[in-house]
Amino acid sequence: AQSVAQPEDQVNVAEGNPLTVKCTYSVSGNPYLFWYVQYPNRGLQFLLKYITGDNLVKGSYGFEAEFNKSQTSFHLKKPSALVSDSALYFCAVTPRDSGAGSYQLTFGKGTKLSVIP
Amino acid sequence: GAGVSQSPSNKVTEKGKDVELRCDPISGHTALYWYRQSLGQGLEFLIYFQGNSAPDKSGLPSDRFSAERTGGSVSTLTIQRTQQEDSAVYLCASSLGQGKAEAFFGQGTRLTVV
Repeated sequence: AQSVAQPEDQVNVAEGNPLTVKCTYSVSGNPYLFWYVQYPNRGLQFLLKYITGDNLVKGSYGFEAEFNKSQTSFHLKKPSALVSDSALYFCAVTPRDSGAGSYQLTFGKGTKLSVIP
Repeated sequence: GAGVSQSPSNKVTEKGKDVELRCDPISGHTALYWYRQSLGQGLEFLIYFQGNSAPDKSGLPSDRFSAERTGGSVSTLTIQRTQQEDSAVYLCASSLGQGKAEAFFGQGTRLTVV
């Protein structure tokens, strides 16, 4: 069964500092990987995804993530955090080759990011 | 519509009653997902529809939960004989399918069982 681990329930970072939100995954075969963000009282929004090719993917709002196959990780990063980045971040995985025909999208438990002014 | 639409946005029901939650996906999206998000918890997968294929029901927590998708479009999640532990936000998402397309989420239905 596929799974996603986000080892930190909360990450605190000072405004202007770089931020990292960690994600590791387990899936049969090769993965498609995603990051979503949930602002307070709002729905989930797509940030970025890894499909194939370059291991460093860039997404919305200056975020990027690096796919590391050997470490089965897909950490979310941003060079300079903004207070407005404070939100709940979810990592998700689905198998690239679904023999059973199900592209079930599995999410981690989420990491609350707080950017301190 | 422009996005995924869910109704109602809020539902309060008495324990033991049945409820139906509706999801209207983005037009042309072949994949549809239902998730449950409890307070302070992550997203719990419930069910996945892809085109005309048999749905992946592996996440449904009990036989009180069922879902259908009519005509490959609108979906209804039904919870029978609701229990207090069913209280949560139920999220629906749709995508172009085939795994690599990102999912677009609705605003959710907040279900409270009293």
